[in-house]
Amino acid sequence: DGGITQSPKYLFRKEGQNVTLSCEQNLNHDAMYWYRQDPGQGLRLIYYSQIVNDFQKGDIAEGYSVSREKKESFPLTVTSAQKNPTAFYLCATERGSGHQPQHFGDGTRLSIL
Amino acid sequence: AQSVTQLDSQVPVFEEAPVELRCNYSSSVSVYLFWYVQYPNQGLQLLLKYLSGSTLVKGINGFEAEFNKSQTSFHLRKPSVHISDTAEYFCAVSDAQYNKLIFGAGTRLAVHP
Repeated sequence: DGGITQSPKYLFRKEGQNVTLSCEQNLNHDAMYWYRQDPGQGLRLIYYSQIVNDFQKGDIAEGYSVSREKKESFPLTVTSAQKNPTAFYLCATERGSGHQPQHFGDGTRLSIL
Repeated sequence: AQSVTQLDSQVPVFEEAPVELRCNYSSSVSVYLFWYVQYPNQGLQLLLKYLSGSTLVKGINGFEAEFNKSQTSFHLRKPSVHISDTAEYFCAVSDAQYNKLIFGAGTRLAVHP
């Protein structure tokens, strides 16, 4: 069954710790995105990648890092430099290079311990 | 720069009543418009999209939206809502210049029996 898998569903971070959120897709889509969702603010773009081994910063990239070593995978690392990481993180894919509907995973909820 | 405004943060409505969720955008070039729905603790699902052609777009679950270029609006409508329509709805726009999806802050639709 084609889809996007985000794991874990819930994640807790200690102060000064880096954590990595997983996003895997079997839709064979070229583009992948990471969004952060906070209550009342909609979705904000963190990073995106339109091709393997290439990615670009979105609007709120500070304190985050990504890699795109395989077409199927686009992990997001929340570093200790991100001072307010508590949020719902959504991964999305897109078939083409823009103006196509994006497909979303079920998200990871990150909280501070 | 493009932006999206969802005029109502919350819309309460009784079951079987009609509903309209409002969305306005700003962009100086051709736009592509989307409505997504999000159920609690899940990702976003595409309801409908406007890429070109007819300005009245029909989507899933009985929803439709009308693209109005002169008023820069893309309001979502349903003639008769069901309890199961209770969710958060996001309007999104991408344009030919920026090639990124910009989301509104969301409208929470609450359907009461």
